Amino acid sequence: ELKVEQNPLFLSMQEGKNYTIYCNYSTTSDRLYWYRQDPGKSLESLFVLLSNGAVKQEGRLMASLDTKARLSTLHITAAVHDLSATYFCAVDDRDTGNQFYFGTGTSLTVIP
Amino acid sequence: DAGVTQSPTHLIKTRGQHVTLRCSPISGHKSVSWYQQVLGQGPQFIFQYYEKEERGRGNFPDRFSARQFPNYSSELNVNALLLGDSALYLCASSGRALGGELFFGEGSRLTVL
Repeated sequence: ELKVEQNPLFLSMQEGKNYTIYCNYSTTSDRLYWYRQDPGKSLESLFVLLSNGAVKQEGRLMASLDTKARLSTLHITAAVHDLSATYFCAVDDRDTGNQFYFGTGTSLTVIP
Repeated sequence: DAGVTQSPTHLIKTRGQHVTLRCSPISGHKSVSWYQQVLGQGPQFIFQYYEKEERGRGNFPDRFSARQFPNYSSELNVNALLLGDSALYLCASSGRALGGELFFGEGSRLTVL
């Protein structure tokens, strides 16, 4: 069964600091997605990474994909309180259509 | 443009009852998927429909069923509700059958008492 693992599961960081969330997956998929979820809310798409070496940046967030290592990272630069949320990575499996497999999520709290 | 819309947003049922959740995809999207998200976990795949045909089914019991209508909207039905069915049910639409980005609705939060 395809597995997606994120670490850390919980992250508490001070404003202004940098940190990286890691996403490891067990399939050969070359499509990886990052989502953000605020408490009680739905999933907001952050990044779509579609090839090995893909790097995308939006504001203080930057995502990258290494398909050979089956690893994606979400880097946070100079964190601010508004980034507090749960972040999920997901991969889809070509063999099972458009089924997405989600990681366990990383709950990020940015402390002023 | 309207995003993915789901109804109802919240509902409370008792064990053994039946529930129907509804979803309208983004205009032009022909693929609808359903996910279950239990508190503290990532979403789990339930079904995918594309052009009214079931394209994928997750590891859920037969109490769960779904269908897609000619206008591409969809319903998720759950029979004989159990306490463990309490969750946020998310609908997602995509413009493609395979390899397409998923756009999620706000979800239907089901509580089973």
